[in-house]
Amino acid sequence: DTEVTQTPKHLVMGMTNKKSLKCEQHMGHRAMYWYKQKAKKPPELMFVYSYEKLSINESVPSRFSPECPNSSLLNLHLHALQPEDSALYLCASSQDEGREVAKNIQYFGAGTRLSVL
Amino acid sequence: AQTVTQSQPEMSVQEAETVTLSCTYDTSESDYYLFWYKQPPSRQMILVIRQEAYKQQNATENRFSVNFQKAAKSFSLKISDSQLGDAAMYFCAYRSDYGGSQGNLIFGKGTKLSVKP
Repeated sequence: DTEVTQTPKHLVMGMTNKKSLKCEQHMGHRAMYWYKQKAKKPPELMFVYSYEKLSINESVPSRFSPECPNSSLLNLHLHALQPEDSALYLCASSQDEGREVAKNIQYFGAGTRLSVL
Repeated sequence: AQTVTQSQPEMSVQEAETVTLSCTYDTSESDYYLFWYKQPPSRQMILVIRQEAYKQQNATENRFSVNFQKAAKSFSLKISDSQLGDAAMYFCAYRSDYGGSQGNLIFGKGTKLSVKP
């Protein structure tokens, strides 16, 4: 099973709303990632959690707040977003962040399409 | 810093024919990994094939194979017997051999592949 599940599939929110994106995996992976992908562009890394601790924050604005409650679950809390934050948000997981390629292959979810009005 | 270049924004192939997607990269490292990911309209990034730089033998996965030229820093993807389901955006990605933040994926801009029936 190489499944990473993201909910919701689509989300429309106003600039004053608070919402959350959810990502779940049951592969026993200990590294989880959030990416932002604009149309016709490659994914851009936002955050990395390794063993439930935030290991990388790629200078993401504070209106995006990640949370890793346990090793299977990753959330992205959204607050006061801007229209330019509209994008596809992808979650990925890997066995860990180590050097061994068999362990660091990233498996992606199908993403949440976010529209900010 | 490492960079990945995909010089073909769009490609087209006839069903059952063969197509090659190009990817070049720039690095000063000797050990690294290269990947091809496929992103169909369903949005999920799917790993197609991977190559360890220390391996001279080109990777193959069923109809997908790579031509890895380490000296030329080239990593092309060949799709044989193209099928309608191969239509997608294809991303070439580089990963350093280092773990942690240095081991994050670096993506090219992608090549959109169309398959004509």
